[in-house]
Amino acid sequence: EDKVVQSPLSLVVHEGDTVTLNCSYEVTNFRSLLWYKQEKKAPTFLFMLTSSGIEKKSGRLSSILDKKELFSILNITATQTGDSAVYLCAVEWGGSEKLVFGKGTKLTVNP
Amino acid sequence: NAGVMQNPRHLVRRRGQEARLRCSPMKGHSHVYWYRQLPEEGLKFMVYLQKENIIDESGMPKERFSAEFPKEGPSILRIQQVVRGDSAAYFCASSPARNTGELFFGEGSRLTVL
Repeated sequence: EDKVVQSPLSLVVHEGDTVTLNCSYEVTNFRSLLWYKQEKKAPTFLFMLTSSGIEKKSGRLSSILDKKELFSILNITATQTGDSAVYLCAVEWGGSEKLVFGKGTKLTVNP
Repeated sequence: NAGVMQNPRHLVRRRGQEARLRCSPMKGHSHVYWYRQLPEEGLKFMVYLQKENIIDESGMPKERFSAEFPKEGPSILRIQQVVRGDSAAYFCASSPARNTGELFFGEGSRLTVL
């Protein structure tokens, strides 16, 4: 059965800290891995990764994929209270239109 | 450009009633997906539709659940004879084409079954 596992499930840090969120997957015929941010409402798209070793970056957020070891990390540097959210990892595979989501990592950034 | 619009945002039903959730995709998007999120769980795929066609309903329970995306109007997720276990947040997402990976999500409809 295809699955996506995120760790940790929750994380509490102070403003200014750097965090690393993990996502491992077991999916046949992998096509892409996506990261979303969910703040009590609509998940919003962060990154889509298809190739190993190529870092995607957007401001203080960055992500990289390792297709050999079947995992991805999402880094957030200099965290702010506005980064508090649930971060979702999802995997898409060939031959299907559906995304398989992990349970998410709940990040809380305290001032 | 309005995003994906879902309504109602909150819906309360008693056991045995019907629930209808509506989703209007982003302008120009003809691909609609429904996902369900149970408490403490990730988003689970339910169904993928294009205009007037159900493409993949492999995540939809075989009974009581149905979905449509008519030529005109929003996509509808219909749950008949609701039970307490149907209480969840139902998210709709849309995309402009197949295999784009990135989905644009609505804010969800939270169904509570009493």
